[in-house]
Amino acid sequence: EPEVTQTPSHQVTQMGQEVILRCVPISNHLYFYWYRQILGQKVEFLVSFYNNEISEKSEIFDDQFSVERPDGSNFTLKIRSTKLEDSAMYFCASSELGGYGYTFGSGTRLTVV
Amino acid sequence: EDKVVQSPLSLVVHEGDTVTLNCSYEVTNFRSLLWYKQEKKAPTFLFMLTSSGIEKKSGRLSSILDKKELSSILNITATQTGDSAIYLCAVEAYNQGGKLIFGQGTELSVKP
Repeated sequence: EPEVTQTPSHQVTQMGQEVILRCVPISNHLYFYWYRQILGQKVEFLVSFYNNEISEKSEIFDDQFSVERPDGSNFTLKIRSTKLEDSAMYFCASSELGGYGYTFGSGTRLTVV
Repeated sequence: EDKVVQSPLSLVVHEGDTVTLNCSYEVTNFRSLLWYKQEKKAPTFLFMLTSSGIEKKSGRLSSILDKKELSSILNITATQTGDSAIYLCAVEAYNQGGKLIFGQGTELSVKP
């Protein structure tokens, strides 16, 4: 069964450092997303991406965050200057049209120290 | 503000029991409701519901949407220890770029 692949599975970084989280969405999907889940809290939407541009973003997705699809397969989330409160599990997802086939990756656990 | 509320927040049952998990939502321009199972990491897809009153079934799991009541239920019959997980409900609205709004989840624990 097709999968969304995320790397690394766990990243520890110092406060103020830049991190890049990487995702390979399912190959025929057109919509790509990032979500985060702080320990013990809800899964929260960050951003959606379609046709090489952001289609929707949440209040969490401020100037410190950016997304990119640098080639035909990867989808990345960059956090420019990490804060302690960025510590969370970050999930990448992809889907076909709308909600069809909405599949999540296994996540990257980001720990900011 | 769009929101999704799940109940109960946690549930402990014994193997063989039947459970019903609830999800209610307030969303403008509702498009679909999705159920996911979250074990250790990634939410894994269970059902997507768009039409009211049509039950979706997969083995011992089933789900139905009630658009009039703005709610959905997820039923699990003959529960097994492998059903222990957090069950997440999420709602998608039109014109929001595919964004899903998640509830806080129901943590189900099935004891042998």
